[in-house]
Amino acid sequence: DAKTTQPNSMESNEEEPVHLPCNHSTISGTDYIHWYRQLPSQGPEYVIHGLTSNVNNRMASLAIAEDRKSSTLILHRATLRDAAVYYCIPITQGGSEKLVFGKGTKLTVNP
Amino acid sequence: KAGVTQTPRYLIKTRGQQVTLSCSPISGHRSVSWYQQTPGQGLQFLFEYFSETQRNKGNFPGRFSGRQFSNSRSEMNVSTLELGDSALYLCASSLRSAGGRVQYFGPGTRLTVL
Repeated sequence: DAKTTQPNSMESNEEEPVHLPCNHSTISGTDYIHWYRQLPSQGPEYVIHGLTSNVNNRMASLAIAEDRKSSTLILHRATLRDAAVYYCIPITQGGSEKLVFGKGTKLTVNP
Repeated sequence: KAGVTQTPRYLIKTRGQQVTLSCSPISGHRSVSWYQQTPGQGLQFLFEYFSETQRNKGNFPGRFSGRQFSNSRSEMNVSTLELGDSALYLCASSLRSAGGRVQYFGPGTRLTVL
């Protein structure tokens, strides 16, 4: 399993953009980068995933470095509802369904 | 579509007892995974079932077991409960996609062992 490194915590103000980094220097060529988040008292929820190029969806954007050793989850305008623990998880295409969660980044959003 | 449902939501047991937790996946999903979440160890993978077969197992003792039924519903069982089994148990179902696996989690069952 590829190892990931994320900051323990980050803080943002409401309505401002947030950039959540993840280092995954041991990732293999076929691993997708998935991001999940866990709101307080809820199960984790899928946010976004990508392989090489940047990806956008209604929740967030994912910027993947050219060497694929790092990625950044971008929340364009943070809301109070975005306060959660964010996890980046490399997943091998065609491999196990198993998700290996690290400690993630706890995002605090200030009103 | 209804999400992943887990029952019961809360459970209190005493040491030595056994417990069975239930998970109903999203309609059409055939893969079900279980995770344990504790403050000390975080989220840890327990096992995964696909078409009634266990495909993968995490590093947990044999007291933890599971099964999947033909309708994809799954149960997990913990026998001879220990205090350290107190945790949030999460179930996730998935629809295999070409780009990876998106897993949809239920709200979890909070187990307290006294």
